[in-house]
Amino acid sequence: EAGVAQSPRYKIIEKRQSVAFWCNPISGHATLYWYQQILGQGPKLLIQFQNNGVVDDSQLPKDRFSAERLKGVDSTLKIQPAKLEDSAVYLCASSLDWRYTGELFFGEGSRLTVL
Amino acid sequence: AQTVTQSQPEMSVQEAETVTLSCTYDTSESNYYLFWYKQPPSRQMILVIRQEAYKQQNATENRFSVNFQKAAKSFSLKISDSQLGDTAMYFCAFMKQSGTYKYIFGTGTRLKVLA
Repeated sequence: EAGVAQSPRYKIIEKRQSVAFWCNPISGHATLYWYQQILGQGPKLLIQFQNNGVVDDSQLPKDRFSAERLKGVDSTLKIQPAKLEDSAVYLCASSLDWRYTGELFFGEGSRLTVL
Repeated sequence: AQTVTQSQPEMSVQEAETVTLSCTYDTSESNYYLFWYKQPPSRQMILVIRQEAYKQQNATENRFSVNFQKAAKSFSLKISDSQLGDTAMYFCAFMKQSGTYKYIFGTGTRLKVLA
């Protein structure tokens, strides 16, 4: 079974530029999550989708971050314009359902460096 | 709001020895789940072990076991017969069984197994 796929693995940009990350969850998983993991911290949820609807985006900085999951499968997270403090690993995860209390399956992450 | 605290930023253990990673959490919820996730260097995060709060029996998975003290809000992970492949970041996580079922992660403990 294919795991959660993310791209790109690494991205370096200048501040005020834009960047986009892509995620393809495990087939059949209705729920998709984007987490931000800053060095030395645990993952922080940015947004949670159930199919193509948003369950929770309370911690998404909506003035610069946006995310979509138009067809309920893969998803894109965009940052525009980027700030230095956005340097982090962006993790995508998926699960069977938003109320599923079992395992989250993570991708390898996209490491963003903002100069 | 729920919080998860991991007070040991780094630990090391000799191969074949036993090590215990600490985690405490704060919640007023009665129904919730606790998890330990492992994040090896440059690899995706994977589930190590899961505990339902309503179960008094501590969860075990091969060499991994937990000491769940509900009244003390403590959830430690014991790794027996440590192996070099156990070297990783370990994150404790909490999920309440209500609302958006959001995961709250601790800041992690970096474990190094020494040969």
